[in-house]
Amino acid sequence: KAGVTQTPRYLIKTRGQQVTLSCSPISGHRSVSWYQQTPGQGLQFLFEYFSETQRNKGNFPGRFSGRQFSNSRSEMNVSTLELGDSALYLCASSLVGDTQYFGPGTRLTVL
Amino acid sequence: AQSVTQLGSHVSVSEGALVLLRCNYSSSVPPYLFWYVQYPNQGLQLLLKYTTGATLVKGINGFEAEFKKSETSFHLTKPSAHMSDAAEYFCAVTSTSGTYKYIFGTGTRLKVLA
Repeated sequence: KAGVTQTPRYLIKTRGQQVTLSCSPISGHRSVSWYQQTPGQGLQFLFEYFSETQRNKGNFPGRFSGRQFSNSRSEMNVSTLELGDSALYLCASSLVGDTQYFGPGTRLTVL
Repeated sequence: AQSVTQLGSHVSVSEGALVLLRCNYSSSVPPYLFWYVQYPNQGLQLLLKYTTGATLVKGINGFEAEFKKSETSFHLTKPSAHMSDAAEYFCAVTSTSGTYKYIFGTGTRLKVLA
């Protein structure tokens, strides 16, 4: 089976812009979670989608949003980018209550 | 509520020495427990997991972990460290019911000295 894929792998944006990241889960996985990873804050949970519904949410401002499509692919959007949004964004997919499998991440740099 | 605590954000061992990375969890329901490894600029890769059954779990690359309910621990060990083991390691817990939310520890960076 193909693993979790994330596009793009690298992204450079400027403050105030918005960005959309994409995640394709492993075939058959209906749960997709997003994480932000920075050197200072470590791995932080953003949100989880299951069957097109947001099931869990972390403690991030409303500028961070996501969605899931009927084929389980997911996107996350960050509006009005800030310097502090520079991070590695990781997507993980899983069967319900089982192992999360991670993609390689999208490295976002905000200038 | 569930939580995970990893003791030691940085651990250094000599090549060939025992690796011991500590993880303690808190969970009101039977947990599933995981260890992941992350190499620079990559995603997290599953090392091993505990769901039910045998409490000593063997994973990839010679790692193993033991689930100790009485101590609420799930420490990761490897008898002999290799240079290639240098990476960041994350312990995680999820519930077997309810929200199925994953909780990750803060990570332990392992350095292997020649």
